Amino acid sequence: QVQLQESGPGLVKPSETLSLPCAVSGYSITNGYYWGWIRQPPGKGLEWIGSIYHGGSTYYNPSLKSRVTISLDSSKNQFSLKLSSVTAADTAVYYCARHWGNLVTTALRYWGQGTLVTVSS
Amino acid sequence: DIQMTQSPSSLSASVGDRVTITCRASQDISSYLAWYHQKPGKVPELLMYAVSALQSGVPSRFSGSGSGTDFTLTISSLQPEDVGNYYCQSYYSAPITFGQGTRLEIK
Repeated sequence: QVQLQESGPGLVKPSETLSLPCAVSGYSITNGYYWGWIRQPPGKGLEWIGSIYHGGSTYYNPSLKSRVTISLDSSKNQFSLKLSSVTAADTAVYYCARHWGNLVTTALRYWGQGTLVTVSS
Repeated sequence: DIQMTQSPSSLSASVGDRVTITCRASQDISSYLAWYHQKPGKVPELLMYAVSALQSGVPSRFSGSGSGTDFTLTISSLQPEDVGNYYCQSYYSAPITFGQGTRLEIK
């Protein structure tokens, strides 16, 4: 059973960089599939941030592309999100997820439990 | 970007009722449509993909239909555990986009 777990600081200061790793168990990320990040501001809907393939190919939401980097660490079997120059509008629950298939144009099959990140001084 | 619009934004129904949620895409997305259910305080879960393919373990009272731009999620007999938010999602092209959600409550 594939399991994903986000971790990281719950509080980030404005203008700083948010960094979140997602540890994967039950599946090697180098075996395939796209791995993605989604966020949900408190009381609001879901927003796709971006996704990465084990070969390094990435897709980002154009609305965040200038501030987002998603990377893989095969030695730790994890992938990570970096979001720079954060503001209060970036306060959200951040989820990592695995796509259904080897294309970014597939549904999101497995989700992590999510981690709340608050941007505040 | 493809815009996904759900209706209604919220609804309240009784146990046993038939419930329908609609989702409209701003352009033809063929059958690249998924539905997710997010129970209160929980993680979104994939209900179905490719419009009508039920994810393993999803009760058969859930069904999906549509193609192109107009889609529906139907619950044939509402159960208490069906409360929460439902989201449609287009994965026709990047960026992947979600509908704004439909909040389902029990009367």
